[in-house]
Amino acid sequence: ETGVTQTPRHLVMGMTNKKSLKCEQHLGHNAMYWYKQSAKKPLELMFVYNFKEQTENNSVPSRFSPECPNSSHLFLHLHTLQPEDSALYLCASSQDGRESDTGELFFGEGSRLTVL
Amino acid sequence: AQKITQTQPGMFVQEKEAVTLDCTYDTSDQSYGLFWYKQPSSGEMIFLIYQGSYDEQNATEGRYSLNFQKARKSANLVISASQLGDSAMYFCAMRGPSGGYQKVTFGTGTKLQVIP
Repeated sequence: ETGVTQTPRHLVMGMTNKKSLKCEQHLGHNAMYWYKQSAKKPLELMFVYNFKEQTENNSVPSRFSPECPNSSHLFLHLHTLQPEDSALYLCASSQDGRESDTGELFFGEGSRLTVL
Repeated sequence: AQKITQTQPGMFVQEKEAVTLDCTYDTSDQSYGLFWYKQPSSGEMIFLIYQGSYDEQNATEGRYSLNFQKARKSANLVISASQLGDSAMYFCAMRGPSGGYQKVTFGTGTKLQVIP
């Protein structure tokens, strides 16, 4: 139990569906992240939110739309996805800003997405 | 730009033996941090160990130690007395200077299999 919870754990959707992934952290951290993990590729950083403000968008297609209503919750809205978007989507949080912070990421268990 | 290289796609180790997982990095930052994460088949990324670039001593956490050679830009993970539960993917990662959100770069990972 890392203090970061992701739902759903598994999701199957068609290319015309609209769905959302949810992430919640109970650690009081100020930064939250979405990573994409595809087979045999390094984890790809998608979005970063620091104090609810989006600070990074790593050239992610617009069919992925993040939302961060507060420092504890992060969503990834999905619409008109492609089969190549099938992957494990990992949410993470961290506490940053102080010199003593290591920047360690605390991950959720991931949401396994399959696009048919 | 930061880059992490893990050249071992897969490794085998006998139970109770020690194993070294290789990691080399490249960065132009003077201050940075290095991490190792473990990812079992369940998908969750588990933090193992952290090394700061200015730390003079190699980091240790229980059976895990990080062999940090700054001049060679290597940060190998050593697991002593391997256990069956150590079978998993292992990722080396690095971040830039502390402060603000952390953009962490991951390697492609090494799949470790512990043989009874």
